[in-house]
Amino acid sequence: EVHLVQSGAEVKKPGESLKISCKGSGYSFTTYRIAWVRQMPGKGLEWMGIIYPGDSDTRYSPSFQGQVTISADKSISTAFLQWSSLKASDTAMYYCARHHGDWYAFDYWGQGTLVTVSS
Amino acid sequence: SSELTQPPSVSVSPGQTASITCSGDKLGDKYASWYQQKAGQSPVLVIYQDTKRPSGIPERFSGSNSGNTATLTISGTQALDEADYHCQAWDGSTGVFGGGTKLTVL
Repeated sequence: EVHLVQSGAEVKKPGESLKISCKGSGYSFTTYRIAWVRQMPGKGLEWMGIIYPGDSDTRYSPSFQGQVTISADKSISTAFLQWSSLKASDTAMYYCARHHGDWYAFDYWGQGTLVTVSS
Repeated sequence: SSELTQPPSVSVSPGQTASITCSGDKLGDKYASWYQQKAGQSPVLVIYQDTKRPSGIPERFSGSNSGNTATLTISGTQALDEADYHCQAWDGSTGVFGGGTKLTVL
């Protein structure tokens, strides 16, 4: 059975760095892209970027390019989303999702990681 | 980059048909997907490639996509269908979501 398990909730101060994770299991991690999706409080979903763990090819939404870094370590079947300097406006729920290439859709989602940035 | 527009809210009576639209430039030339998100939960894929249902999704969920509009239709809507619904498509290699629609069953 496919599972995407994300790291736990984080509380950080503005200016701090952060790296959250998404561990895949139950399938071949290197053959499906993993996307990161932001959901700000009470708002819709926002596509941030996507990585192909097989070769680490990464694409970013223009809105998030330069603001975050997406990476993956295929040896531990884990994708990452990181910030070098958090802002209060980064407060949100962050989801990882597996991209089913043949379907052009996200067929499995992680449980979400809540990131709170507050002084 | 392209944008997808959804109505903020749709209301439907139990047993009736709910239609949720998603509009974007030449959306009919792309594949649209739909996700259901209940309060406090992760999104769940309900429609992919415009019209297809993943295993386990009830037949009352259907989709269409033509011109500039994709539509999610829920026939015989049930109280448990109350949720936010998000459309999604691809702009080249970049994904984009609509703003989401809150479906109220009353």
